[in-house]
Amino acid sequence: AQTVTQSQPEMSVQEAETVTLSCTYDTSESDYYLFWYKQPPSRQMILVIRQEAYKQQNATENRFSVNFQKAAKSFSLKISDSQLGDAAMYFCAYSQKSSGDKLTFGTGTRLAVRP
Amino acid sequence: AAGVIQSPRHLIKEKRETATLKCYPIPRHDTVYWYQQGPGQDPQFLISFYEKMQSDKGSIPDRFSAQQFSDYHSELNMSSLELGDSALYFCASSFSYNSPLHFGNGTRLTVT
Repeated sequence: AQTVTQSQPEMSVQEAETVTLSCTYDTSESDYYLFWYKQPPSRQMILVIRQEAYKQQNATENRFSVNFQKAAKSFSLKISDSQLGDAAMYFCAYSQKSSGDKLTFGTGTRLAVRP
Repeated sequence: AAGVIQSPRHLIKEKRETATLKCYPIPRHDTVYWYQQGPGQDPQFLISFYEKMQSDKGSIPDRFSAQQFSDYHSELNMSSLELGDSALYFCASSFSYNSPLHFGNGTRLTVT
């Protein structure tokens, strides 16, 4: 079974600074997707970024970028120029291409942004 | 753009009662997923449907059942409710396989 591990329960960053959230996963599959979801206090689940395992280029969405190390099974999220609105719970998630889009989530990292 | 709609937003039930949660996917999305997120926990996959047929099943109790209707909306039926069923229930939809999931705002169920 696939597992997703987020070893940082909580992180804190100063506004305008950069922060990196860590995620590792375990799978025997070669073709899969990795995701970062943001869950603000409103509890809505918002897709931040998606990475396809076969693409070597790291995905980027504005201030959000990932460092995908397939051999190491590592998938970290970098948030640049942090804003107060970035404060949320961040979940790393995995889905296996061969079994649809069912997501397996990590336990989350709560990010606080200091003004 | 249209989003996934879940109703109700909040629901309070007593132990041993029954609850029905509804999910209306984004138009043309043919796949629906249900997740349960307990307090302070990550979302856990319950069940999914593709083209009105059950496509996958996770840690869904036997007391729960779900289906997807001809208009692609889905309902999660929960019977003999227990205190531990109190959680946020998310529905997500996608267009066929290997496309991103779009989540609804969730239904917060409180069992007293």
